[in-house]
Amino acid sequence: QSALTQPASVSGSPGQSITISCTGSSSDIGGYNYVSWYQQHPGKAPKLMIYEVTNRPSGVPDRFSGSKSGNSASLTISGLQAEDEADYYCSSYTSSTSLVFGGGTKLTVL
Amino acid sequence: QVQLVESGGGVVQPWRSLRLSCAASGFTFSSYGMHWVRQAPGKGLEWVAVIWYDGTNAYYGDSVKGRFTISRDDSKNTLYLQINSLRAEDTAVYYCARDSGIYLRLNWFFDLWGRGTLVTVSS
Repeated sequence: QSALTQPASVSGSPGQSITISCTGSSSDIGGYNYVSWYQQHPGKAPKLMIYEVTNRPSGVPDRFSGSKSGNSASLTISGLQAEDEADYYCSSYTSSTSLVFGGGTKLTVL
Repeated sequence: QVQLVESGGGVVQPWRSLRLSCAASGFTFSSYGMHWVRQAPGKGLEWVAVIWYDGTNAYYGDSVKGRFTISRDDSKNTLYLQINSLRAEDTAVYYCARDSGIYLRLNWFFDLWGRGTLVTVSS
């Protein structure tokens, strides 16, 4: 199972919005609504930010939102804040009864 | 409190075996499917394995099939990962993670993570 494709890096200024893309196939993203997004700060465990494409766990700011179209998913962060600077990973359930992650995107808040 | 604590990592020679443990507390461990996820130094996340809440099913990532075995002991609230024939490319932080679904339903996203245990394969 090949990793999902994410941009290596994105950046934005405080207050701006950014979008991170995640591209897969009909065997993963396109076939299921089991797309999730995780935030990881250096040296820390990942934290769930979005699940089942669009849902936010309690405690996650509504500045974070997710969407999906075809074989691709996106994470949008609006009103960027300094603490949003981190690595972000998408994941999807696959037709092989497995999970695949994206390669990760480093978000820099300028 | 609700937490997962991994242990068992360390420096291991190639071709040796290792068993990682993940102690769960603060929730009904036996109700949840559990996963292992690893992260090589400076690299991204890689899903390793899942085990059903009752231990009846387990699935593995392609890169570890045949060498890794996931298991659980609900009497000890503990998840395990047996790693055989260790290779340099197995060097990583290994996280255990709780699937958010309970009983037969797996949601394939993780609402609780441990802090990880580092495995370094080196002669």
